[in-house]
Amino acid sequence: GQNIDQPTEMTATEGAIVQINCTYQTSGFNGLFWYQQHAGEAPTFLSYNVLDGLEEKGRFSSFLSRSKGYSYLLLKELQMKDSASYLCAVRDSSRGGSYIPTFGRGTSLIVHP
Amino acid sequence: DVKVTQSSRYLVKRTGEKVFLECVQDMDHENMFWYRQDPGLGLRLIYFSYDVKMKEKGDIPEGYSVSREKKERFSLILESASTNQTSMYLCASSPGGVQPQHFGDGTRLSIL
Repeated sequence: GQNIDQPTEMTATEGAIVQINCTYQTSGFNGLFWYQQHAGEAPTFLSYNVLDGLEEKGRFSSFLSRSKGYSYLLLKELQMKDSASYLCAVRDSSRGGSYIPTFGRGTSLIVHP
Repeated sequence: DVKVTQSSRYLVKRTGEKVFLECVQDMDHENMFWYRQDPGLGLRLIYFSYDVKMKEKGDIPEGYSVSREKKERFSLILESASTNQTSMYLCASSPGGVQPQHFGDGTRLSIL
């Protein structure tokens, strides 16, 4: 089975940097996704990590440590529009042949002026 | 751009009704998924399909069934709707391999 943990809610100030953590336990790790979901909208893909290290994509970066079962999403130069839920999803090859991702409960980020 | 379309944004049904939620994707993806999303519980997988006429149970399949007669369409069926099935239902699709999922806008279903 899998256990994926994220903080429930975080708040930050416009222009600041925020780090959203995700820890997981899985027997057949095969990649980790981050998605962004604005209220009332569909989740949209942000990043994918399968090897250790940092992946940078504009203001957003995602880090993975497989040995620690740990990832974080780093958001720089926060904007009001970054207020959303951020979902961590882990793929586990032991779950079945299709490598289905399992989602954490999501972190609600509130950016205030 | 990938488009995943769910037939309704909002739906209200009565207890005991048979309910159909439809999902269509336009990118020839092999994999399709149905999730429900509830406050504090996140996205939970109900069923998925990796090919036409193929289906696999997810984490919470009880009370649901699915149908995939054509590659682009994946239907979720509530055989006899109950109030605890009131939720946001999200459909997703993905190609094979390590590609991310693409989600529809969701159907907010209320069972009265």
